[in-house]
Amino acid sequence: AAGVIQSPRHLIKEKRETATLKCYPISRHDTVYWYQQGPGQDPQFLISFYEKMQSDKGSIPDRFSAQQFSDYHSELNMSSLELGDSALYFCASSTASGRETQYFGPGTRLLVL
Amino acid sequence: AQKITQTQPGMFVQEKEAVTLDCTYDTSDQSYGLFWYKQPSSGEMIFLIYQGSYDEQNATEGRYSLNFQKARKSANLVISASQLGDSAMYFCAMSVLGSNYKLTFGKGTLLTVNP
Repeated sequence: AAGVIQSPRHLIKEKRETATLKCYPISRHDTVYWYQQGPGQDPQFLISFYEKMQSDKGSIPDRFSAQQFSDYHSELNMSSLELGDSALYFCASSTASGRETQYFGPGTRLLVL
Repeated sequence: AQKITQTQPGMFVQEKEAVTLDCTYDTSDQSYGLFWYKQPSSGEMIFLIYQGSYDEQNATEGRYSLNFQKARKSANLVISASQLGDSAMYFCAMSVLGSNYKLTFGKGTLLTVNP
């Protein structure tokens, strides 16, 4: 079965630009989580969605927004990018019935110059 | 709030030997899950093993086993018969029912398998 798909895999942006990261969960997974992993750090939770509604919010800057669409894919929109936004962004998906286990996508590596 | 502590920044093991990676956790929730993920240098996050707080038996998945000691709040990962491909960063993580199952990670342990 196909895993979580994230696009793009790599992204280079200038400061103050915007970026959109996309996530396509595993088929029949209705829950999506976004995590940010800075260089040499552990992943930090940003935001999650269940059945297209935001279910939880972590340390996500106000410059970032996200949503989950009717086909369950999710997009993370990042505006006014800063150097400190350079990180690996993961999307993970799970099912409502098995919400303990999250399967991660390959990540989007964002570099802000 | 939940907390995961991994006290070993780096570990070395000889190929074909077993290794234990330590993880302790802290939570006031009674229902929680404990996970181990492997992150190779390529960056992807690979799910290895899961242990639920109410599971009485230790979880096993192939060469991976989780030594769950609830009273000590520890969830150590044991890798048997180490292979060169096991060299990676290993993260212990926790999710709780009361926090919508978002994962809280430890700082990770970098495992190096020597030939």
